[in-house]
Amino acid sequence: DAMVIQNPRYQVTQFGKPVTLSCSQTLNHNVMYWYQQKSSQAPKLLFHYYDKDFNNEADTPDNFQSRRPNTSFCFLDIRSPGLGDAAMYLCATSRTGTYDTEAFFGQGTRLTVV
Amino acid sequence: KNEVEQSPQNLTAQEGEFITINCSYSVGISALHWLQQHPGGGIVSLFMLSSGKKKHGRLIATINIQEKHSSLHITASHPRDSAVYICALHTDKLIFGTGTRLQVFP
Repeated sequence: DAMVIQNPRYQVTQFGKPVTLSCSQTLNHNVMYWYQQKSSQAPKLLFHYYDKDFNNEADTPDNFQSRRPNTSFCFLDIRSPGLGDAAMYLCATSRTGTYDTEAFFGQGTRLTVV
Repeated sequence: KNEVEQSPQNLTAQEGEFITINCSYSVGISALHWLQQHPGGGIVSLFMLSSGKKKHGRLIATINIQEKHSSLHITASHPRDSAVYICALHTDKLIFGTGTRLQVFP
């Protein structure tokens, strides 16, 4: 059974229309990550949560926001999507405090902006 | 300088060949992950290493913490191994390498 689930798998949104992507996990991991991956590039970290502590990367545009209402769920909000925001968005989880924790990845949400 | 570097960026092989992908890094880590991503697909974790060597089927991963270097080996490569292989560092966050695009031809 999938342990990190992203919904939807494919999202089409209009230019400038707010969109929310979701990620849920059944692993009880305390760390959740959001990455943006454009074609043929490595995933780029947007932000991550340690429990409820939000950590924004310095170069993440203000257009991108995140919410984590509880351990299991994390949302990525794009307030005004531009054509350049079309990408695959990946959610990942891990657990701190141990050296023996796998990182788990969702299948990703492919966002198209029209 | 990037914190993690992979080589080669692109790799082409004939079916059956032994393949090595390298990852060098410059920061302290708690673990290193080898990940696989098929075209248009999600990311799958192959290995997580904090020391030594791990083996799963035809895949072997090694890490040398002192030298800050890890390798992923594929024995008897097969066309279905064609994918992007990514090295990711586990520090206080996950830091991805740029990936190695592998194509295995029959």
